Amino acid sequence: AQSVTQPDIHITVSEGASLELRCNYSYGATPYLFWYVQSPGQGLQLLLKYFSGDTLVQGIKGFEAEFKRSQSSFNLRKPSVHWSDAAEYFCAVAPGGFQKLVFGTGTRLLVSP
Amino acid sequence: DTAVSQTPKYLVTQMGNDKSIKCEQNLGHDTMYWYKQDSKKFLKIMFSYNNKELIINETVPNRFSPKSPDKAHLNLHINSLELGDSAVYFCASSPGREGAEAFFGQGTRLTVV
Repeated sequence: AQSVTQPDIHITVSEGASLELRCNYSYGATPYLFWYVQSPGQGLQLLLKYFSGDTLVQGIKGFEAEFKRSQSSFNLRKPSVHWSDAAEYFCAVAPGGFQKLVFGTGTRLLVSP
Repeated sequence: DTAVSQTPKYLVTQMGNDKSIKCEQNLGHDTMYWYKQDSKKFLKIMFSYNNKELIINETVPNRFSPKSPDKAHLNLHINSLELGDSAVYFCASSPGREGAEAFFGQGTRLTVV
């Protein structure tokens, strides 16, 4: 069955430090991959997506993600975290094209001063 | 203008009641969805509609009945509410083509007491 694993339930990073959030997926083929962010009390906002081509994708707010087929991973990175980045981050796959998204369990990012 | 809007934002009701959540999108998208986010922040697809036709019903109890009067609207009616229905319900829409991102509403926090 298709699944998405985010092994870190929460991560604390100092402001200005770099960030990497992990995501692994289980799927027969390369699915469409997404990272969404959810701020408290808000809906989900797309940070970036990967379909094909260049395995390093750039997103909004200074985020990037790298697709590694051999590791079935799609990790999210940011070189310097800002306090406003504190939120819940979800990795997702679209295994069937557009019919649905399968989400990971989320990683809560806390930013310390 | 809000792209995907849901009403109400908060809903508190007693067990056994029937309630509805409304969703409208002004993006001209063909596909709309309902997702449920539980208390542990886990997001799971409930229903997908494409051009007003149901394409995914992810083993949701038949107390939940979605209705799509037109492509821009997807409402969710819930009968005989149970304590376990307490969650945040997100409406989303997408252009309905492979790999297209989904745009999410702000969510409706349903509390059953």
